[in-house]
Amino acid sequence: EVQLVESGGGLVQPGGSLRLLCEASGFTVSSNYMSWVRQAPGKGLEWVSIMYSGGNTYYADSVKGRFTFSRDNSKNTLYLQMNSLRAEDTAVYYCARFRLTWGEFDYWGQGTLVTVSS
Amino acid sequence: DTQLTQSPSSLSASVGDRVTITCRASQDISSYLNWYQQKPGKAPNLLIYAASSLQSGVPSRFSGGGSGTDFTLTISSLRPEDFATYFCQQSYTTPYTFGQGTKLEIK
Repeated sequence: EVQLVESGGGLVQPGGSLRLLCEASGFTVSSNYMSWVRQAPGKGLEWVSIMYSGGNTYYADSVKGRFTFSRDNSKNTLYLQMNSLRAEDTAVYYCARFRLTWGEFDYWGQGTLVTVSS
Repeated sequence: DTQLTQSPSSLSASVGDRVTITCRASQDISSYLNWYQQKPGKAPNLLIYAASSLQSGVPSRFSGGGSGTDFTLTISSLRPEDFATYFCQQSYTTPYTFGQGTKLEIK
């Protein structure tokens, strides 16, 4: 059974850092395209970043230069290192599997809440 | 960036009704359009991919259509569990943008 479990969210001050984790089971992350999507409270969905199976990464302009997407193949785990956090980064962060056929997100984690506030 | 505009933003309907939600793209995205359902406090759930292909396990009362810039999601006969928020998403080009959502409420 495919499962994605995020963790690492919490309260952080503006300018601070946080690292999110996404532990995968039932499939191999390094053989798939994986993504982070966020949702601010009461708002819509915003794509944040994608990692291709070969390791290339791409970011939304809103996080480029501040967020880094990485993975540990031995742990089948993804990471999102978030630096220089701003109030507008407050959101639930989801990791999701990106199915290559038509670019749909077919499996999602339950999400982890990041709150940036002083 | 490719903008996706959903209409309506909210919709009131009754059990058994047929409803259609539209999604318009700011440029031609071929059939690279997907639809999701999201319930409060839960992650989105994939319903339709490639504009009109039904995701495995999704009831057949859900259907999608369109290509190019104009797309639709239709629910043929609403059931109580269908009252939720629906999002479209384009996968033609990065950034992979989403529509703003359509909240489907019980009349």
